[in-house]
Amino acid sequence: AQSVAQPEDQVNVAEGNPLTVKCTYSVSGNPYLFWYVQYPNRGLQFLLKYITGDNLVKGSYGFEAEFNKSQTSFHLKKPSALVSDSALYFCAVSLYSGGYQKVTFGIGTKLQVIP
Amino acid sequence: NAGVMQNPRHLVRRRGQEARLRCSPMKGHSHVYWYRQLPEEGLKFMVYLQKENIIDESGMPKERFSAEFPKEGPSILRIQQVVRGDSAAYFCASSPRGGAAGNYNEQFFGPGTRLTVL
Repeated sequence: AQSVAQPEDQVNVAEGNPLTVKCTYSVSGNPYLFWYVQYPNRGLQFLLKYITGDNLVKGSYGFEAEFNKSQTSFHLKKPSALVSDSALYFCAVSLYSGGYQKVTFGIGTKLQVIP
Repeated sequence: NAGVMQNPRHLVRRRGQEARLRCSPMKGHSHVYWYRQLPEEGLKFMVYLQKENIIDESGMPKERFSAEFPKEGPSILRIQQVVRGDSAAYFCASSPRGGAAGNYNEQFFGPGTRLTVL
């Protein structure tokens, strides 16, 4: 079985400071990893993905994530937070299981950027 | 290229009524996924469909819930005899590629339908 853990329900960071939203995963193979963002009363928007290759992945809105196989982590980062980054962030893992590429989402982490 | 469309955006039903949620995938996408989002519980997978086929319904409650994705028209998530516990946001996502091994299966989400059961 595959699973994703987002250990923090909420992350607070001051505007202009670097931010990190944590994600760890548990799978029995080589996963594909994703980050999505959800703004209030909206659907999820794709931010970035790791498929293979360089462990540092760059995505939309200045976000990046680092794949660490030994720690089974895929933390989301941004060098300088904006108030507009305040939203709910979901980590997801995709693995071939049960006959298809199945995606499992984490529970989400609420990011609050304080002006 | 229009994104994933869901309607209605908001749906109010009384206990015992039926709720029908519609999802039109992105053009060229033939794979649809339904998720339910409850406060404090994150996004829960319900069902994965291809045109005219249910591939995985392991996340769907055994009773009152059903889903279809006909050859023509949108995908429908149907909830019969709704109860207050069904109140949630229901999201549909679509992908261009299906489940073959190696497909990374990036999903594109609709805006959701917020169901309120009175």
